[in-house]
Amino acid sequence: EAGVAQSPRYKIIEKRQSVAFWCNPISGHATLYWYQQILGQGPKLLIQFQNNGVVDDSQLPKDRFSAERLKGVDSTLKIQPAKLEDSAVYLCASSLVVSGFYGYTFGSGTRLTVV
Amino acid sequence: AQSVSQHNHHVILSEAASLELGCNYSYGGTVNLFWYVQYPGQHLQLLLKYFSGDPLVKGIKGFEAEFIKSKFSFNLRKPSVQWSDTAEYFCAVKPDNYGQNFVFGPGTRLSVLP
Repeated sequence: EAGVAQSPRYKIIEKRQSVAFWCNPISGHATLYWYQQILGQGPKLLIQFQNNGVVDDSQLPKDRFSAERLKGVDSTLKIQPAKLEDSAVYLCASSLVVSGFYGYTFGSGTRLTVV
Repeated sequence: AQSVSQHNHHVILSEAASLELGCNYSYGGTVNLFWYVQYPGQHLQLLLKYFSGDPLVKGIKGFEAEFIKSKFSFNLRKPSVQWSDTAEYFCAVKPDNYGQNFVFGPGTRLSVLP
């Protein structure tokens, strides 16, 4: 089966600019997650969608980050304006069931560098 | 809030050496436990998982992990590592409670010397 697709793979922007990432989960996976992985740390959940509804966005810095999954399939994550500390890999993952029984399937991530 | 700790930041082994990576979590309820691996330049992949039953879980590529409930631990083991096992290993915990998500540990980088 096709994996989780993410684009772009790399992005370099200046601080205060805006940036958007795109994710296409595995077909049929209703649950979609965005994670932030800072160098040397484990992934940290930013937001979880179940279909097109938000299940958990408690750790999303809502003053600058936003995410949407309008049709319950693709999702975009936006940062506006970016700060230096936003430099990280942004991972998208999807799962068949909310419990994660089958684990997550991760995309390759987008490496963001804010200069 | 639950947390996950991994004992070692970086482990260096020679090929054929035995491996044990420690993972401890803090959560009092029922949990589901996972180990993920991230090979250089690749995405995170599921290595093994524990949901219930036999606390000794076997995963892919000869890895296994043992859940010890009394110690809140889920250590990863492999009797003989190979150079190709060089990667970052992440322990993850998900409380068995709808609405509570995965929490990942900080990761352990494994370097296997040929």
